Amino acid sequence: DADVTQTPRNRITKTGKRIMLECSQTKGHDRMYWYRQDPGLGLRLIYYSFDVKDINKGEISDGYSVSRQAQAKFSLSLESAIPNQTALYFCATSDARWDRGENRRYNEQFFGPGTRLTVL
Amino acid sequence: GEDVEQSLFLSVREGDSSVINCTYTDSSSTYLYWYKQEPGAGLQLLTYIFSNMDMKQDQRLTVLLNKKDKHLSLRIADTQTGDSAIYFCAESIPTPTGRRALTFGSGTRLQVQP
Repeated sequence: DADVTQTPRNRITKTGKRIMLECSQTKGHDRMYWYRQDPGLGLRLIYYSFDVKDINKGEISDGYSVSRQAQAKFSLSLESAIPNQTALYFCATSDARWDRGENRRYNEQFFGPGTRLTVL
Repeated sequence: GEDVEQSLFLSVREGDSSVINCTYTDSSSTYLYWYKQEPGAGLQLLTYIFSNMDMKQDQRLTVLLNKKDKHLSLRIADTQTGDSAIYFCAESIPTPTGRRALTFGSGTRLQVQP
């Protein structure tokens, strides 16, 4: 079973509709993230959550909202979808790992498979 | 992210070396990362380097870091068709909350020709 799952995997909707993208994880990580990927722009951070009560805006949060229902669930909502929100959306979790060589911690992010959203 | 820059496309022949370059802006970055995205999938961590290192080697992968120029590169030796993917450079930057988050480059699409 996948550790980070996203539903739906594909969605086509119309301008003005409310859309919710769901993310669940079985990794037990406190930190979760939502990104969007656009061709030539890479990944841009929408929102991130370092625990259930700690939610923060990322680089491009306008037009989006999130809900962290539990440690394992982090949902992204588009209150009123518009065509320029057409993109591939990724959920991710992260965990601190130990770099034995440097005796320090680094963060590894684990990504879901993505949701392709098309807004007509 | 606009703070991390990469070229968009690289084409190599199977068996050749591939070099993917990245420039970043935040001199306070502690770790720098390379992620790989295969078609239809999310990103996976490929390798990372701590900011006080110049080089890190991991099997076919070599990461070079030039802190003075804020330049990071990923060299893949003996490139295989299975290496065809999009490669993202990422740096860890401070956020307004004081925590750190990753900023990703635009990604370099590596195409390996048989």
